[in-house]
Amino acid sequence: SQKIEQNSEALNIQEGKTATLTCNYTNYSPAYLQWYRQDPGRGPVFLLLIRENEKEKRKERLKVTFDTTLKQSLFHITASQPADSATYLCALSLGGGFKTIFGAGTRLFVKA
Amino acid sequence: GAVVSQHPSWVICKSGTSVKIECRSLDFQATTMFWYRQFPKQSLMLMATSNEGSKATYEQGVEKDKFLINHASLTLSTLTVTSAHPEDSSFYICSARGQGGNEQFFGPGTRLTVL
Repeated sequence: SQKIEQNSEALNIQEGKTATLTCNYTNYSPAYLQWYRQDPGRGPVFLLLIRENEKEKRKERLKVTFDTTLKQSLFHITASQPADSATYLCALSLGGGFKTIFGAGTRLFVKA
Repeated sequence: GAVVSQHPSWVICKSGTSVKIECRSLDFQATTMFWYRQFPKQSLMLMATSNEGSKATYEQGVEKDKFLINHASLTLSTLTVTSAHPEDSSFYICSARGQGGNEQFFGPGTRLTVL
């Protein structure tokens, strides 16, 4: 069956450390993968997109890797801050109509 | 840029009534809009995909006669929940994608509560 799995438990880290979130998928061949941030009661906010032929993408303190062999993406936030506390969603975009399928998200808590 | 708005942000209605939710792309033309539903602590579940001027494509298990979607212009899509019931209470979120674009830009969501 097709699945997208993210860290099921909430992730608690200390301010200043690097947060690493995992997204694994099975039985999908995504054209690209996206990461979003969602705060409680709000819509998701786009962060980064990485294509199937890209290994790594960076944006300020954010870094995403994409391994199509392992079927895994890692999302890193360096020098984390309490304001980074939120739920982070992994999303696979499939070919053709680019339908996007979301993972359940990982809640990140950054302690001061 | 790439701002998507939704209206209303929250709505409470009686069981059996219909509710319309609007999704607008404010500064770009959205050739494709998506409607999602999200229950507490769960992921976004795609309900339907709509392209401007075409009928929406619904996901399996989503009743098209209950969730009416109209995408009449490049900046507006509407979702009407007909004969709403308490189990329809949820957070409804739209997103929009421009022509040739890959990113989806999400609206702030609409909280629907059916009494």
